[in-house]
Parts: sequence; C-alpha cells; structure tokens
Amino acid sequence: AQKVTQAQTEISVVEKEDVTLDCVYETRDTTYYLFWYKQPPSGELVFLIRRNSFDEQNEISGRYSWNFQKSTSSFNFTITASQVVDSAVYFCALSETIIQGAQKLVFGQGTRLTINP
Amino acid sequence: DSGVTQTPKHLITATGQRVTLRCSPRSGDLSVYWYQQSLDQGLQFLIQYYNGEERAKGNILERFSAQQFPDLHSELNLSSLELGDSALYFCASSTWGLRETQYFGPGTRLLVL
Repeated sequence: AQKVTQAQTEISVVEKEDVTLDCVYETRDTTYYLFWYKQPPSGELVFLIRRNSFDEQNEISGRYSWNFQKSTSSFNFTITASQVVDSAVYFCALSETIIQGAQKLVFGQGTRLTINP
Repeated sequence: DSGVTQTPKHLITATGQRVTLRCSPRSGDLSVYWYQQSLDQGLQFLIQYYNGEERAKGNILERFSAQQFPDLHSELNLSSLELGDSALYFCASSTWGLRETQYFGPGTRLLVL
C-alpha cells in the first residue's frame, strides 16, 4: 500500500533559521501526485503545493521551496528565513488511486514545527 | 479561506448518541471527501462522493454513514458514538475527484464524553 513517512516528529528552530522538513513516500503507481499541507494552531488544513510525478523540477514560492527527487522517493520542504507565523504542523500527502475514478490522500504523520522568536 | 464550509465547528455529545456533520464544497466542485484526524490514527480517509454517488470508501466504521445531496452538500452521520470517535472531522472538495488538489474545510471538532 501507499505510504508516506515524515520521520521528524517535531522540529524547533529560532526565527530566521532555515529549516527542511523531510518526506519519503512509497507507491506502486507510475503516475501520482504529492502534496504539502499546513495545519496552523487554529486547526484548518491549508494547501501549499501539488506536484506531479512527471515533474521533477524544484519549486520556489517566496520563502518556501520544495525538492522532489524521484530516485530517492522524497519530496522535501524547506522554509528559508523562518518566521514565528510558520509555526504549524506540516503534512506531506500522496494521492492513491483506489478504484477507477477515485482517489484518496495518504498522509504522513506530520511534523510539528515551532519557530521561536 | 478554502471555500469549503463545515458546520458545526465544535460538537460535544455523550456516548451512544448520534450526530450529523455538514459540509458545503467549493463552488463548482462535484467531489466531496471526508477525513478523520485523531491523535492515534492521524489523518485517515473515510469516504468520497462524486455528484451525489458514493465513489470510494476508506476506513469508515459501519456506525458511520454519509451522503451527498443534489445541491452537492454532504453530511456525515455518526451513530452509537464511543469515546474513541472523538476527533477532528474534515471535509474536502475537488472538481472531478481524481488527481486533483483537495481543498479542506475548517473541520468539526467532535468530543464524545
């Protein structure tokens, strides 16, 4: 079965430090999608990025960047110059095709990131 | 704001009771998903509906059921509640239901006492 592993349960850094959240996945699908979601203390799940398995280009969005490496089945997320507002739980997820025309997201256990002032 | 709405935000009830959680998808989305987030199980997929029809089932208990109505809103019914059902229940939506981004609502926090 599909699996997502986020080995870092908790990370704590000081503001302005760079931090990388690791994500390793397992899948049998040849085409798949990877996602990152952010869950701030208020509890909602906020979509950050979606990456197609055919597109291995790294992506940068402001202070956020993502490194997708198919060879190592990893999809890591880096926050540059972290800020207190980045404190949240971050989830990596993998789309899994259940049956024709249906998919679900398989989530990792999440990494709790605390940015200290 | 994802555009997905869920009500109520919080729900406190007793064991053995039945509750209904409601979800309205983003405008134009035909597919609705339900997920449960608990401390021990993490985020788990429960069920998916597409345009009123059940599309896929995940780890959904027999005591739980869902439906999607003609106006595309969805309800998740939880019955014979147990302490272990206490969790955050999320609804998500997407346009078609395959290989798309799922946008999540704010969740309903259920506490069973």
